[in-house]
Amino acid sequence: ETGVTQSPTHLIKTRGQQVTLRCSSQSGHNTVSWYQQALGQGPQFIFQYYREEENGRGNFPPRFSGLQFPNYSSELNVNALELDDSALYLCASSLDSGRAPYNEQFFGPGTRLTVL
Amino acid sequence: RKEVEQDPGPFNVPEGATVAFNCTYSNSASQSFFWYRQDCRKEPKLLMSVYSSGNEDGRFTAQLNRASQYISLLIRDSKLSDSATYLCVVERNRDDKIIFGKGTRLHILP
Repeated sequence: ETGVTQSPTHLIKTRGQQVTLRCSSQSGHNTVSWYQQALGQGPQFIFQYYREEENGRGNFPPRFSGLQFPNYSSELNVNALELDDSALYLCASSLDSGRAPYNEQFFGPGTRLTVL
Repeated sequence: RKEVEQDPGPFNVPEGATVAFNCTYSNSASQSFFWYRQDCRKEPKLLMSVYSSGNEDGRFTAQLNRASQYISLLIRDSKLSDSATYLCVVERNRDDKIIFGKGTRLHILP
């Protein structure tokens, strides 16, 4: 167990709807990254939040947005859902000391989103 | 060309054998390299970091070749529990873009 939790576990939505996914980071971690993993693919980096600010973004459209709260938990919001948004959404937390180029990320179990 | 490429496999290997995977990356500015393991329907977990000097952790050895832009993972004396998907991860130059490969599936056969 990594101590990273995500909710909900599974979710079914229809095209055009909006969804909010939640992540609680591991205690003491200040950075949360979100990934989309389609079936048979590796995780694709959506964005990262460090101390409540977006700190890097992958190739995802603006309808993918996020927030990080003062307790370092995070939300991923997706507007205007499309069929291709069906995937496993993974959240990973880490402690960014600002020195190392990379800090080990601890993944949550993911939220499986199905868009019909 | 994809930024990070891996042979998807599957690699079907008898128990006790040695197996090796490679992963190539296209951006020479990449700074950090890792292997993650992902079991079926589970989240990825860090297996090991990859350093230029090579590093070993028990039966696992990882190496980085910056000149040829690839990293490798060697598993010796493979166990049934090694069956999983192995994901290659590359982080670029502090622009915080972290790239996962598609993964290589490994099946260890009894």
